[in-house]
Amino acid sequence: SQKIEQNSEALNIQEGKTATLTCNYTNYSPAYLQWYRQDPGRGPVFLLLIRENEKEKRKERLKVTFDTTLKQSLFHITASQPADSATYLCALIVTGANNLFFGTGTRLTIIP
Amino acid sequence: IAGITQAPTSQILAAGRRMTLRCTQDMRHNAMYWYRQDLGLGLRLIHYSNTAGTTGKGEVPDGYSVSRANTDDFPLTLASAVPSQTSVYFCASSDGLAGGRRNEQFFGPGTRLTVL
Repeated sequence: SQKIEQNSEALNIQEGKTATLTCNYTNYSPAYLQWYRQDPGRGPVFLLLIRENEKEKRKERLKVTFDTTLKQSLFHITASQPADSATYLCALIVTGANNLFFGTGTRLTIIP
Repeated sequence: IAGITQAPTSQILAAGRRMTLRCTQDMRHNAMYWYRQDLGLGLRLIHYSNTAGTTGKGEVPDGYSVSRANTDDFPLTLASAVPSQTSVYFCASSDGLAGGRRNEQFFGPGTRLTVL
């Protein structure tokens, strides 16, 4: 069956450290992968997109990698801040499909 | 209006009642979507629309219907609500087709629906 798993439900990281979130998928062949941030009581907000032929994408303190052999994406937040605390969702875009397939998310807490 | 608005913000509904969740966007996006978000299951697509006048089924369409009479509005109707439809519902839109090629999705604030 098709599955998208994000490394853990919750992750606590000390402020200033790098937070690394994992998204693993099985039985999908994604053309693109997106990461979203969701704050409590709000809708998800788009952060980054990476294509299947890209290894890495950066945006300010954010970095995403995409390994289609391992079927895994890593999402890094460097120099983490308490304001980075949120739930982070990965989402796959599959060629020919009409929607994003979302993981269940990882709730990240940055501890001051 | 800026972005996507949804109404109501929350609703408690008796089982068997009919309910329409409203969604309006002002970005002139072609594609619109309805998701439900449940604990442990993530966001799942209910219905989508590539453009005004067309709709399609997502992963979990049963018990829901949609219409897309114009670009801006995409209402979701529960014809006869059941407790398993208790969830948080998000409307989203994207520029271009719902194939999602490169297109980020913009989400509304959500509607929290409880069916008793």
